[in-house]
Order: sequence, then structure tokens, then C-alpha cells
Amino acid sequence: EVQLLESGGGLVQPGGSLRLSCAASGFTFSSYAMSWVRQAPGKGLEWVSAISGSGGSTYYADSVKGRFTISRDNSKNTLYLQMNSLRAEDTAVYYCAKDKVASTMVQGVFFDYWGQGTLVTVSS
Amino acid sequence: AIRMTQSPSSFSASTGDRVTITCRASQGISSYLAWYQQKPGKAPKLLIYAASTLQSGVPSRFSGSGSGTDFTLTISCLQSEDFATYYCQQYYSYPPKWTFGQGTKVEIK
Repeated sequence: EVQLLESGGGLVQPGGSLRLSCAASGFTFSSYAMSWVRQAPGKGLEWVSAISGSGGSTYYADSVKGRFTISRDNSKNTLYLQMNSLRAEDTAVYYCAKDKVASTMVQGVFFDYWGQGTLVTVSS
Repeated sequence: AIRMTQSPSSFSASTGDRVTITCRASQGISSYLAWYQQKPGKAPKLLIYAASTLQSGVPSRFSGSGSGTDFTLTISCLQSEDFATYYCQQYYSYPPKWTFGQGTKVEIK
């Protein structure tokens, strides 16, 4: 059974940093691209970042580029999101999500499994 | 970035109704479209991908159609468990800049 379990969310001041983790199980982690998708309170879904199965290719939404860094440790089956220079508008539930199709490329990705989400609140 | 616009944003319906939700892309995306269902406090659930392919385990009352810029999600006979918010997502963009529609909330009449 595929499971994705996020952790690391919490309250942080504007300008601060936070690192999210997503522990994966139930599938060959290194064979799949992974993404972070966020949802601000009462709002819709926003794709944030993606990483290839090998970790060699990374992509970001314009809203987080230069501030967030996605990475993965395939030996630990864990996905990360390092978030720096946090802003109030980064407040959201952050989901990790798995690509449905095993591929070496991050292309044509949609998500068949999602974690339960972790809440990040940026406020003074 | 490709903009995805859903309509309506919300509506009320009754159990047993046939409902249709529309998603329009700001440029052609072929059939690179997925639909998700989200219930309050829960993660989204994949319903349909490639515009019309039903995800395993999803009831056959859900169907999708369209290509290019115009897409629809249809629920043939609304059940109580279908009251939720539905999102479309384009995965055509490369380099990746995947975008979601703003959501359509289906409420009980």
C-alpha cells in the first residue's frame, strides 16, 4: 500500500525557514517523480515544485523559485522541501504527491497518491 | 503559464442528478488533463487522467471528455459521497508549470 507521510510544518515568522519531509513507502520511490502541492486556507491547489526520480532535475513555480529547494534521499525514501525567506502568502497546507507514471523525466505528471498534508503558518 | 478556468465555481444539486463541470485551458493542452475530488480536510483524490481515462477504483458514474482547450467532468447519477470540490489540472506544460483550476464545489440542494 502506497503511503506518503509529511512532517515538519508549523508556525514560523516572516523571513524564517522551515524544512518539510515526506516519508514514502509501498512503491519503488526512486522510479517516480515527486512533487509538492500546496493549498492556502479556503483556497485552491497550487503546484509548488517537482523533482525527478534520480533527483537530478528540479522544477519550481515562479512564486517560490529562489526561495524553496526540493530534494530527495532515495536511500531513505524521503522527499524534502527546504523553505527559506517565508512570506505570509506561503501559509498553506503542503502536500507531497506521487507521479502516477514511472519515468526518468519530469514530464506529463499528474498525481495518483497524496499525503495527508502538513500545515505551514507564516505569521508574526 | 497556462490558465485553467472551471465553471461553475459552485452549485447545488440533488442525489440522483446528472451534473457536468467544465474546465477551459487558456491554450491547447491536447488531452493532458486530470480531474481530482477533494473533501474537506482531506487530500485530493485522482478521478480521471488523460482527459477521459478513469483511475482504478473510481466508480463508473464519473466520466471525462474533451481535448484541446475544453473539457468536462460528468457525474451521471450523483451520490451522497460525491458532494465535494472538484479540480482540473493541466500537465501539458514543459518545463513543468502545472496548473489547477480554481475548483468547483458541489453542494447538496
